[in-house]
Amino acid sequence: EDQVTQSPEALRLQEGESSSLNCSYTVSGLRGLFWYRQDPGKGPEFLFTLYSAGEEKEKERLKATLTKKESFLHITAPKPEDSATYLCAVKERGTGNQFYFGTGTSLTVIP
Amino acid sequence: EPEVTQTPSHQVTQMGQEVILRCVPISNHLYFYWYRQILGQKVEFLVSFYNNEISEKSEIFDDQFSVERPDGSNFTLKIRSTKLEDSAMYFCASRETSLEEAFFGQGTRLTVV
Repeated sequence: EDQVTQSPEALRLQEGESSSLNCSYTVSGLRGLFWYRQDPGKGPEFLFTLYSAGEEKEKERLKATLTKKESFLHITAPKPEDSATYLCAVKERGTGNQFYFGTGTSLTVIP
Repeated sequence: EPEVTQTPSHQVTQMGQEVILRCVPISNHLYFYWYRQILGQKVEFLVSFYNNEISEKSEIFDDQFSVERPDGSNFTLKIRSTKLEDSAMYFCASRETSLEEAFFGQGTRLTVV
């Protein structure tokens, strides 16, 4: 059973065309939800941690939000350098330290 | 900016051989992890390590795998007898005690032939 589901699998945007990526999770008690960026052949690069519903975090053109069942990564006026795979991961309360990752959304921003 | 360092970046080995993947976690971090990512698949948890012992491991982390912190800075993953299906990117990660997020290295691409 997947704890984390991300959609869409792939997204192509024109430069400047804002959009959102979705991450839904099914863990019973959320200890934290994490967004990472992964470039091809590289390790995940940490972006945000969200802990509770209603929380929001921002960094440059990215904004992450959290509800009780899902998180959104909003990308405002993306640039070609935002092209990457965006990974969502969760940690579950009471079950230890491991991160459960989704399969990611591959974002391509076309100039 | 502190970062997790992994060596080598790419290793090719013959099936049945032993490999050791090396990691230098961020210096003030006390939790260490190994994850792997088979091409086109999700990042999968292998093992976590805290206070000089394994704190959690997944079903993937069987008797062929072991981890060690041989000194104050290195953290290693050993695969005793590699199989073709061990071919993957292996990522080391570390985190501070007071924060939940982990920071990942750039990975070692292991190819078993």
